[in-house]
Amino acid sequence: DQQVKQNSPSLSVQEGRISILNCDYTNSMFDYFLWYKKYPAEGPTFLISISSIKDKNEDGRFTVFLNKSAKHLSLHIVPSQPGDSAVYFCAAAANFGNEKLTFGTGTRLTIIP
Amino acid sequence: DTAVSQTPKYLVTQMGNDKSIKCEQNLGHDTMYWYKQDSKKFLKIMFSYNNKELIINETVPNRFSPKSPDKAHLNLHINSLELGDSAVYFCASSHLGTLYTQYFGPGTRLTVL
Repeated sequence: DQQVKQNSPSLSVQEGRISILNCDYTNSMFDYFLWYKKYPAEGPTFLISISSIKDKNEDGRFTVFLNKSAKHLSLHIVPSQPGDSAVYFCAAAANFGNEKLTFGTGTRLTIIP
Repeated sequence: DTAVSQTPKYLVTQMGNDKSIKCEQNLGHDTMYWYKQDSKKFLKIMFSYNNKELIINETVPNRFSPKSPDKAHLNLHINSLELGDSAVYFCASSHLGTLYTQYFGPGTRLTVL
């Protein structure tokens, strides 16, 4: 049962434009959401997170939006840079403090110079 | 300085063999994790240890046995390897209660022939 879904396996965006990565979840118990970034031959690295009491969290060029009613979140990267080319994983947890993260299958983002 | 390290990086072995993957973290974290990323790119948690005590144990065959000799190490032993065990295994660590700061190792690619 895939509780966290990233339906776009890949995305290509022109450098300088906005990249939008999407994630849907089915478990209504999830209340904390994270985005991880992964380069080849490396482990995932934490990028940005949001709790269910918020609908937006911003950190520099990265903004995560949460729509609880739609069980949907998205990551916006503005402006996109070549170094942003990587696989992005969405993850979710139920009950903040619960250490178990449920991951999506990732979206490969390619920034075209 | 490597924060979370895993050895070996690549492991190729025959079906039926027993193998171990080692993980060490030098971040002073009290919680460590093992994740499995299968061929469909699902990243799923297998185990988690806090201060050498098992706190998460997902539905994993009992051929997989984690061992935590101290807070800085969490090793994964796999007995009677099967073809389906082929995957990338990631170790991670964090402070308990701060799951958004899980730091991942570079992964160990296990291939069972």
